[in-house]
Amino acid sequence: KNEVEQSPQNLTAQEGEFITINCSYSVGISALHWLQQHPGGGIVSLFMLSSGKKKHGRLIATINIQEKHSSLHITASHPRDSAVYICAASTLESGNTPLVFGKGTRLSVIA
Amino acid sequence: GAGVSQTPSNKVTEKGKYVELRCDPISGHTALYWYRQSLGQGPEFLIYFQGTGAADDSGLPNDRFFAVRPEGSVSTLKIQRTERGDSAVYLCASSFGSGEQFFGPGTRLTVL
Repeated sequence: KNEVEQSPQNLTAQEGEFITINCSYSVGISALHWLQQHPGGGIVSLFMLSSGKKKHGRLIATINIQEKHSSLHITASHPRDSAVYICAASTLESGNTPLVFGKGTRLSVIA
Repeated sequence: GAGVSQTPSNKVTEKGKYVELRCDPISGHTALYWYRQSLGQGPEFLIYFQGTGAADDSGLPNDRFFAVRPEGSVSTLKIQRTERGDSAVYLCASSFGSGEQFFGPGTRLTVL
């Protein structure tokens, strides 16, 4: 069993839909990361959170430490949101640490 | 300032050859990570440097893989006697203190 599990693996949505991607983890973490990967490979960090909720534009990330679960929401989705979204965990107490990644969720938003 | 850069962007080699992949981290970032991503999978950890030393190399799959960071900035990932199973995108990331990692564009390695 992977330490970081994401669902769904693939998601197709109509433009304007509200999207939720889920992540559950089985290890103790210091922080949970949400990353975006566009075709061609470049990875961009969207959020790093250890509690509560963060919002940036149309993106919202939440985490429930007790349930070991995080969600990434996209409001008013747009075709340019099409990408792979990856959940990753930092597993040590503080500072720099290698990430443990989920397999990613491939999102396609259709106009 | 410049982000993380990786060279080459693409590398095609023959089975059994030696390859070197280079990563230039963001200036001042003390931590540098190498990850490998196979098609359809999330990245997997290979090795992590804090300064010049390898703080954790537990992800290196075998002794054909080796990485250095002699001056605490640029790092080189070296793969000896390449095999077809080594084909993947090799990603480098760097960070400083906060834990947020900044990724390079990756090197796509194809072993024929």
